[in-house]
Amino acid sequence: EPEVTQTPSHQVTQMGQEVILRCVPISNHLYFYWYRQILGQKVEFLVSFYNNEISEKSEIFDDQFSVERPDGSNFTLKIRSTKLEDSAMYFCASSEGAHFEAFFGQGTRLTVV
Amino acid sequence: DQQVKQNSPSLSVQEGRISILNCDYTNSMFDYFLWYKKYPAEGPTFLISISSIKDKNEDGRFTVFLNKSAKHLSLHIVPSQPGDSAVYFCAASEADTSGSRLTFGEGTQLTVNP
Repeated sequence: EPEVTQTPSHQVTQMGQEVILRCVPISNHLYFYWYRQILGQKVEFLVSFYNNEISEKSEIFDDQFSVERPDGSNFTLKIRSTKLEDSAMYFCASSEGAHFEAFFGQGTRLTVV
Repeated sequence: DQQVKQNSPSLSVQEGRISILNCDYTNSMFDYFLWYKKYPAEGPTFLISISSIKDKNEDGRFTVFLNKSAKHLSLHIVPSQPGDSAVYFCAASEADTSGSRLTFGEGTQLTVNP
């Protein structure tokens, strides 16, 4: 069964460093997403991406965040200068269309020290 | 931001019985609702969805009911199995958003006892 895959599963980084989280969405899906879940909190929407551009972003997705689809298969989230409060599970998801169910990857646990 | 709320942090049921998980929402623009199941250290797994034009959707042991006037939906699992033990998230999206963002509830930890 097709699945969304994310790498790495766990990333530890020093405060102020840049990190890139990688995702391979399901191949025939057209919408791509990043969500995050801070420990003990809700799963929160960060950004959606369609047709090679951001289609929607939340107030969390400020200038330190960026997304890119560098080739036909990968979808990345870059955090430019990490802060302690960026520590969270980051989930990539994809869907066939705008009102289809989103399928999630297993997540990347980001720990900022 | 409490647009989607799951008021019960936990639910415990006996194997073979019905599990009923509840979810309330406040945003009347939500028109598509989903339930996800999540195990520790894994991503959310899609279970079942319902459009606002329906009031019930069934898939095997899982049934989702939507009461638009009450802004309430529920997930019924029958019969419940120990493997159903997980955190269940309710999520919703709006018709007009271009990217179809999902707004999640806090989750309910379901424990099914053998």
